[in-house]
Amino acid sequence: LAKTTQPISMDSYEGQEVNITCSHNNIATNDYITWYQQFPSQGPRFIIQGYKTKVTNEVASLFIPADRKSSTLSLPRVSLSDTAVYYCLVGDEDTGRRALTFGSGTRLQVQP
Amino acid sequence: AAGVIQSPRHLIKEKRETATLKCYPIPRHDTVYWYQQGPGQDPQFLISFYEKMQSDKGSIPDRFSAQQFSDYHSELNMSSLELGDSALYFCASSRKGLAGSTDTQYFGPGTRLTVL
Repeated sequence: LAKTTQPISMDSYEGQEVNITCSHNNIATNDYITWYQQFPSQGPRFIIQGYKTKVTNEVASLFIPADRKSSTLSLPRVSLSDTAVYYCLVGDEDTGRRALTFGSGTRLQVQP
Repeated sequence: AAGVIQSPRHLIKEKRETATLKCYPIPRHDTVYWYQQGPGQDPQFLISFYEKMQSDKGSIPDRFSAQQFSDYHSELNMSSLELGDSALYFCASSRKGLAGSTDTQYFGPGTRLTVL
């Protein structure tokens, strides 16, 4: 059973802000939301993690509404090098399982 | 900063042969995870170890086994290789967080296994 739903693909242009929304209607009380970025033939790279409200780091921002049933990854001023697959993952704190369950990520294509 | 190290980076084997993949976690990380990513697919969890004990099991075939050693490095052993085992194999490591928090997994560069 998939725990998250994301758009299959998105297109953008350099310099634009990109927002990728992930739906996780069945998120458990203790679950965290984590986003990873993956380039072809490379390991997934941690981007950002949050539990509620807003989290910001040097790479991205993560917006989580009060009901936590969705989250939005915001990438400011994307460049060509941001072309990658982005995965939204929800923790499995209720079962104690720490392994990541990857769903189908969002393939972001940045054009010049 | 030190990252997860995997070796070899590339491996070519014939059908029915065996292969051993190695993973060296980030220092002071106590948990190692193995993932398999087939061509055009998303990563799939295989197995994990916490403090040298198997902690979770995913879709790992019976032909595969793994262990974590006293120095925390891990090895994934694959026997009777099949064509369908051709994939990228990633190792990730993390440090178990405090109660009420969650740990972050850091992935290695992967081993590309090709079975001919």
